Amino acid sequence: AQRVTQPEKLLSVFKGAPVELKCNYSYSGSPELFWYVQYSRQRLQLLLRHISRESIKGFTADLNKGETSFHLKKPFAQEEDSAMYYCALASGGSYIPTFGRGTSLIVHP
Amino acid sequence: SQTIHQWPATLVQPVGSPLSLECTVEGTSNPNLYWYRQAAGRGLQLLFYSVGIGQISSEVPQNLSASRPQDRQFILSSKKLLLSDSGFYLCAWSRRGAEKLFFGSGTQLSVL
Repeated sequence: AQRVTQPEKLLSVFKGAPVELKCNYSYSGSPELFWYVQYSRQRLQLLLRHISRESIKGFTADLNKGETSFHLKKPFAQEEDSAMYYCALASGGSYIPTFGRGTSLIVHP
Repeated sequence: SQTIHQWPATLVQPVGSPLSLECTVEGTSNPNLYWYRQAAGRGLQLLFYSVGIGQISSEVPQNLSASRPQDRQFILSSKKLLLSDSGFYLCAWSRRGAEKLFFGSGTQLSVL
């Protein structure tokens, strides 16, 4: 069975500080990993996916198969990054993502 | 462009009353449709998904049911609500064979 673990319920940083939201997964095959974000009063939306290998709003995430991790990183946090972040996994052949419990990121001025 | 509508935005219901939440998608055909429940500290729990009209898969045993009477309509129901059914319910859709989900605005259900 596939599983996604986000160990931190809350992450609080100051503006300009680096931020890393942790995500670990368990799946024996080749996973598809995603980060979704929900800003205040907005819909949950896709932030990035590992196969795209892109940086969105300054965020990057690298799939580390050895550590089974897909941590989300940003070198300099901004106040507008404050949101709830969900890591998700979709296994090969199953298009249904499994979500972690989410991490609330608060960026203080 | 594709849009997803979900209503109502908020709902307060007494224990034992029925429930019907509706979700519709516009601008696409044959979408995969999903119902999730979002609970604080528990993340997003998949409740139901559907790959076609009348085809419903349930992920967890519960007091809820889902139906897909039309290609782009997905309904979440209950005959008798329980206190534990309170939560934030999200509808989502995706294209066939694609994992990217597009979410609705959600329904905050309070069962009193």
